[in-house]
Amino acid sequence: KNEVEQSPQNLTAQEGEFITINCSYSVGISALHWLQQHPGGGIVSLFMLSSGKKKHGRLIATINIQEKHSSLHITASHPRDSAVYICAVPVQDSNYQLIWGAGTKLIIKP
Amino acid sequence: NAGVTQTPKFQVLKTGQSMTLQCAQDMNHNSMYWYRQDPGMGLRLIYYSASEGTTDKGEVPNGYNVSRLNKREFSLRLESAAPSQTSVYFCASSEERVRNSPLHFGNGTRLTVT
Repeated sequence: KNEVEQSPQNLTAQEGEFITINCSYSVGISALHWLQQHPGGGIVSLFMLSSGKKKHGRLIATINIQEKHSSLHITASHPRDSAVYICAVPVQDSNYQLIWGAGTKLIIKP
Repeated sequence: NAGVTQTPKFQVLKTGQSMTLQCAQDMNHNSMYWYRQDPGMGLRLIYYSASEGTTDKGEVPNGYNVSRLNKREFSLRLESAAPSQTSVYFCASSEERVRNSPLHFGNGTRLTVT
């Protein structure tokens, strides 16, 4: 069974801190998604990656396919980064379904 | 570009009433999806449409029907609403299959069934 585990579940940090959120999965995948859900409920896709590293602004996502592990880093964190961060991977034998992690709730205090 | 537009944003229904949630995307995406999100749970796929003219069941299709009206529009219908369908509903689209393409979400519809 393809499972996705995220850690930590909850994370509170001070503004400016370097943040790391982890995602582990159990079977081989073609790509992994990182998404952000704002406190107001909106969901935004941050990254989709299948190897190496991607960077967008202060966000960096890495993936190690062999170790079945991905990390999302936030540099110079800011209160506006407060959100739930979710990773998801494709279901085996499906091109259109994802297995979703439980999410990491991040709070950045000023 | 508006991206993915969902209507309505909020809706309250009585048990047994019907309604249709509308979704449209202006990104010329092939694939569209309906998810529901319940407190403490992740997103669950209700139905998806891989391309215009096709629809398929997801994890939790019971009690719902969908229509892929054209490439832009994908609607979700509740024929006889039940309290268990109280949830936040998200429409999403992707250029191709999710193995290769990121998802773009609408802003959600908060539905309460009393």
